[in-house]
Amino acid sequence: DSGVTQTPKHLITATGQRVTLRCSPRSGDLSVYWYQQSLDQGLQFLIQYYNGEERAKGNILERFSAQQFPDLHSELNLSSLELGDSALYFCASSVSGGSAQETQYFGPGTRLLVL
Amino acid sequence: AQTVTQSQPEMSVQEAETVTLSCTYDTSESNYYLFWYKQPPSRQMILVIRQEAYKQQNATENRFSVNFQKAAKSFSLKISDSQLGDTAMYFCAFSGGATNKLIFGTGTLLAVQP
Repeated sequence: DSGVTQTPKHLITATGQRVTLRCSPRSGDLSVYWYQQSLDQGLQFLIQYYNGEERAKGNILERFSAQQFPDLHSELNLSSLELGDSALYFCASSVSGGSAQETQYFGPGTRLLVL
Repeated sequence: AQTVTQSQPEMSVQEAETVTLSCTYDTSESNYYLFWYKQPPSRQMILVIRQEAYKQQNATENRFSVNFQKAAKSFSLKISDSQLGDTAMYFCAFSGGATNKLIFGTGTLLAVQP
């Protein structure tokens, strides 16, 4: 158990809908990262938040958004869902996120299926 | 831009034998870190081992060790005394530069045969 929690574990929805994925980092970690794992594009970085502020952005679609709350949990919002958004979405956390040397600890992931 | 390449989509090894998974990367950064993550059928991402680029000594964690060749930009993972529980997808990852984001390779699916 990494100490990172994600809910829900599974999500099935229809095209055009909107969903919210939730992540709680390890105790004491200030940075949260979101990654998407799909058959087409492999594992790719979406976005990073540090202590409530956006720190880095990757290949995140405009239909997707994220935020980190004062209690440090984070939510990833996916809207106008398409079939291609079906994937495993991981959240990871690290102590500060300001250095490449920090190890990121991954949550169990949320498996999203868009029908 | 940094890239990570794993050229072996699948590998197989007999239990108790040794296997080496390959990874190459490309970067212009001088300060960076390399990782191997394991993803078993449960889909959990588990850190196996990490290597700091400024260290010449290869990292070792129990049965897992790396061969880090900085000039060749190569970072292979050696698993000794393979066990059935080592069956998993293995991802090589890079972190460096201004952000802490991880850049992953496409993975190598390792099957340990009894």
